[in-house]
Parts: sequence; structure tokens; C-alpha cells
Amino acid sequence: QVQLVESGGGVVQPGTSLRLSCAASGITFSNHDMHWVRQAPGKGLEWVSVISYDGSYKYYADSLKGRFRVSRDNTKDTLYLQMSSLREDDTAVYYCATDVFSSWGQGTLVTVSS
Amino acid sequence: SYELTQPSSMSVSPGQTARITCSGDVLTKKYARWFQQKPGQAPVLVIYKDNERPSGIPERFSGSSSGTTVTLIISGAKVEDEADYYCYSATDNNLGVFGGGTELTVL
Repeated sequence: QVQLVESGGGVVQPGTSLRLSCAASGITFSNHDMHWVRQAPGKGLEWVSVISYDGSYKYYADSLKGRFRVSRDNTKDTLYLQMSSLREDDTAVYYCATDVFSSWGQGTLVTVSS
Repeated sequence: SYELTQPSSMSVSPGQTARITCSGDVLTKKYARWFQQKPGQAPVLVIYKDNERPSGIPERFSGSSSGTTVTLIISGAKVEDEADYYCYSATDNNLGVFGGGTELTVL
């Protein structure tokens, strides 16, 4: 049974940085591309980023303007999202999901507020 | 920019067929997926490759595609199908895009 567990969310001030993690189990993590998706309170889903199974390619939503960086450690079966220059409109639940979106984590809430 | 357009809401009575559309130019070249999301829960994949159903998803869920529009069809909708539904597609430049979501009411 695939399990994805996000962590690292919390309340932060605008302009600061935060790193999210997504720990995977029940799958051969190194075989799968992985996505980050976010959802602002009361809003729809927004695709954030994808990283290939080996980390060789990474793509980001245009709206992020280079502030986020995705990475992975296949020795630890863990996906990361490094977020910098956070803004109040980055407030959202952040989900990780497998390549075909068949499995999702429960999400971690990031609140950016002064 | 790539966009997928969905109706914001729709309502059906139990036992009726719900058809939720999703439109966008990218859909002529890329497959769509559909997700169901209930309050406080993570999304669940209900359709992939326009009309394929993952294991464990009830047969009343199906999908169709024509030109720039894909449709999620819920035949004989049940009260438990009340949820938000989102379409998704990848783009030519390997980005992802979700539709704005459709709130389905079954009552």
C-alpha cells in the first residue's frame, strides 16, 4: 500500500523560506516521477512542480517565478520542496503525488502571515 | 498560457446522470485525468487517459473526449458522489494544469 506523508508546514512570515518533505513508502520511489500540488483555502487545485524519477529534470508552474525548488533523495525515499521569498498568496495545503496521480499524501498546511 | 475551463457548479438528483465538462486547447494533444475531492480530503483519481478507470473506482464513473472537450460522466449519481471534481492535463512543455473545479451537488 502506497503511503505519502508530507511534513514541514507551519506559520511563517512573508519573505522567509520553508522546506517541505514528502516521505514515501510502499513503492519503489526511485522509479517514479513526483509532483507537488497546492490548494489555497477554499480554492481549487494548482499544479506546482514535477521532478523526474532520477532528478534529472524539473519543471515548475510559471506563477512561481523561480522561488521554489524541487529535489529528491532516492536513498531516503523522500521528496522535497524548498520555498523561498514566501508571500501571503502561497498560503495553501501542499500535497505530493505520484507520477500518475494515483496516490496522494494528506497534505501539509503552509500559512504565510505577518 | 494553458487553461482548462470547467463549470463552477452543477446539480443532479440521485439516479440521474451527471456530465461535467472540461475544455482547453491542450486536450486535442494530451490525455485528461479527473479527480474527486471531498471536504478535508486529498483528491482521488477517478479517470485517466480520458476514459480509463483505476481499480476500485465504481463503474458509474466514465469519461469521454471530443476535440477540445473532455467529459466526466457519472451514471446513476449517488449522494456519496457529491464532491468537487477537477480535470487535469499535462502540457506540451511538461507543465501541469488543473481546471478550476466543479462543485457537484446530488440531491
